[in-house]
Amino acid sequence: RKEVEQDPGPFNVPEGATVAFNCTYSNSASQSFFWYRQDCRKEPKLLMSVYSSGNEDGRFTAQLNRASQYISLLIRDSKLSDSATYLCVVRDYSSASKIIFGSGTRLSIRP
Amino acid sequence: GAVVSQHPSWVICKSGTSVKIECRSLDFQATTMFWYRQFPKQSLMLMATSNEGSKATYEQGVEKDKFLINHASLTLSTLTVTSAHPEDSSFYICSATGGRAMTDTQYFGPGTRLTVL
Repeated sequence: RKEVEQDPGPFNVPEGATVAFNCTYSNSASQSFFWYRQDCRKEPKLLMSVYSSGNEDGRFTAQLNRASQYISLLIRDSKLSDSATYLCVVRDYSSASKIIFGSGTRLSIRP
Repeated sequence: GAVVSQHPSWVICKSGTSVKIECRSLDFQATTMFWYRQFPKQSLMLMATSNEGSKATYEQGVEKDKFLINHASLTLSTLTVTSAHPEDSSFYICSATGGRAMTDTQYFGPGTRLTVL
């Protein structure tokens, strides 16, 4: 089982739709969680950190479910510019202090 | 926000040559820098973690003698791909954090696309 798993997609949704992705992680010691977006042939850019209480930033909402070991990202009123690959990132407290990227979920917003 | 630069942005070289990639934090002191590699349509794979003034910690399966990492200052880390071969062709991305805290955000450089002929 991969340490961090994401549905690769692609998710193809119309502009204005609401779309949600999940990301599961296997290490219960994981403590820090992030969502990054990566455009084609570009570096990842931080979208938002994911806190235990959940957090919202405009049209984006991130949730953490420690019991089921997954994080989610919800995008409301999607825009064409939201088309990208969304990467789930998990970091743990082990001595190796590993940072693990999910393989990403591709989102394509159509007019 | 914090800015990280990489140089060069792309490089094409012959098989057997060595290539050096620089990663700089422009407006903050990066105590920790990370080097990643990303093959087409795959996720980022962490190669090594570099703390300023100490030896890099390499991930399993990454040859330290082939991928030389130097983090001599708080604003500069370099990755040298020695005796590059076509299978080393990839997108190399560095990131930096301003501290050793677990929740520190990583700021990514724009990446270096390496093509080995």
